[in-house]
Amino acid sequence: GQNIDQPTEMTATEGAIVQINCTYQTSGFNGLFWYQQHAGEAPTFLSYNVLDGLEEKGRFSSFLSRSKGYSYLLLKELQMKDSASYLCAVMDSNYQLIWGAGTKLIIKP
Amino acid sequence: IAGITQAPTSQILAAGRRMTLRCTQDMRHNAMYWYRQDLGLGLRLIHYSNTAGTTGKGEVPDGYSVSRANTDDFPLTLASAVPSQTSVYFCASSESSGTTDTQYFGPGTRLTVL
Repeated sequence: GQNIDQPTEMTATEGAIVQINCTYQTSGFNGLFWYQQHAGEAPTFLSYNVLDGLEEKGRFSSFLSRSKGYSYLLLKELQMKDSASYLCAVMDSNYQLIWGAGTKLIIKP
Repeated sequence: IAGITQAPTSQILAAGRRMTLRCTQDMRHNAMYWYRQDLGLGLRLIHYSNTAGTTGKGEVPDGYSVSRANTDDFPLTLASAVPSQTSVYFCASSESSGTTDTQYFGPGTRLTVL
């Protein structure tokens, strides 16, 4: 079966760095997406990785290791507005997105 | 640019009633999708459409139907609602299907079936 695992909840301090992990087992692989979802709102696109390595975009970076079936999202200089759920999704061999349940990130002052 | 709009924002529905959730996009995207989001679960694909005039079944299609008469609109119908269909429903679109194009989401419809 297809499976995406990520921690249910994480807590971090404003100004700090947090790493949200995602492991996956899917039928084929056409890339991994990270989305941010604030409570009561729509998911919004953060990043896409298809090759191994780190992609940096401002305060957010995303890493992929295809051989390990592993990705992480790194958030630096945390701000209160970063409190949200972070969704990991893998595009399978049929180009359909398989979604993790999301990681709720709580930022404390 | 509105992107994707959904209506209604929320709805409480009696079991057995018929309900249509509306979705409209103004990005001229070819592909559109309907997902449901339930607590503790990832987004699950209900139905999708690769282009106007075509539709396909996703992971959880039972009890739902869709149509795609034109590029912009992709309504989702619950023929006879049941309590297990209580969920938040998101419509999404991407430039094309069968590619790694990013999916963009509407604001969602919160549906409660009693």
